[in-house]
Amino acid sequence: DVKVTQSSRYLVKRTGEKVFLECVQDMDHENMFWYRQDPGLGLRLIYFSYDVKMKEKGDIPEGYSVSREKKERFSLILESASTNQTSMYLCASSRTSGGTDTQYFGPGTRLTVL
Amino acid sequence: QKEVEQDPGPLSVPEGAIVSLNCTYSNSAFQYFMWYRQYSRKGPELLMYTYSSGNKEDGRFTAQVDKSSKYISLFIRDSQPSDSATYLCAINSGGYQKVTFGIGTKLQVIP
Repeated sequence: DVKVTQSSRYLVKRTGEKVFLECVQDMDHENMFWYRQDPGLGLRLIYFSYDVKMKEKGDIPEGYSVSREKKERFSLILESASTNQTSMYLCASSRTSGGTDTQYFGPGTRLTVL
Repeated sequence: QKEVEQDPGPLSVPEGAIVSLNCTYSNSAFQYFMWYRQYSRKGPELLMYTYSSGNKEDGRFTAQVDKSSKYISLFIRDSQPSDSATYLCAINSGGYQKVTFGIGTKLQVIP
């Protein structure tokens, strides 16, 4: 079974703090994704990566950066957290670069920025 | 206009009912259609996937695609309380393209 794990289920941070969200997958997948999920807005793609050290902007990259130093690990960084970044963050991975490949999701991190 | 439209519900049905969940999309280039299921406090998981018009069946679940109307559906027969979840449609144009998700329909099946 593919397993995607995220470092925290719940996280509370203060405005202006630097926040790191970590994601690890154990199936040697090429692609990894970061989404945020908000009521009424659904899943929105922040960044994705199709290889180590490679990254592509998604639909809403502003205020975020990412890092992929190892194939199995994809980090989302909030350089200076703001209250409008309070959300559920979901990491996903897929086997290849084909958009039709199944995306496997982690359990999510609910981030609250005070 | 959003690329994918989905009614957020909530939809509440009695156990044993037939459930119909739907999405419409605007881009005729979309070729691949998926349904994900998301239980409360969990990440989404793929339920069904199809790339052509017509029906695809998997147990109690049937995915239907009508490309001429840009309309996709998921039918659940003999619904069970364990089907209570949020169902997200997901669509892309194939190849190296990002997937566009609907906002999800929350379904509750009442025993």
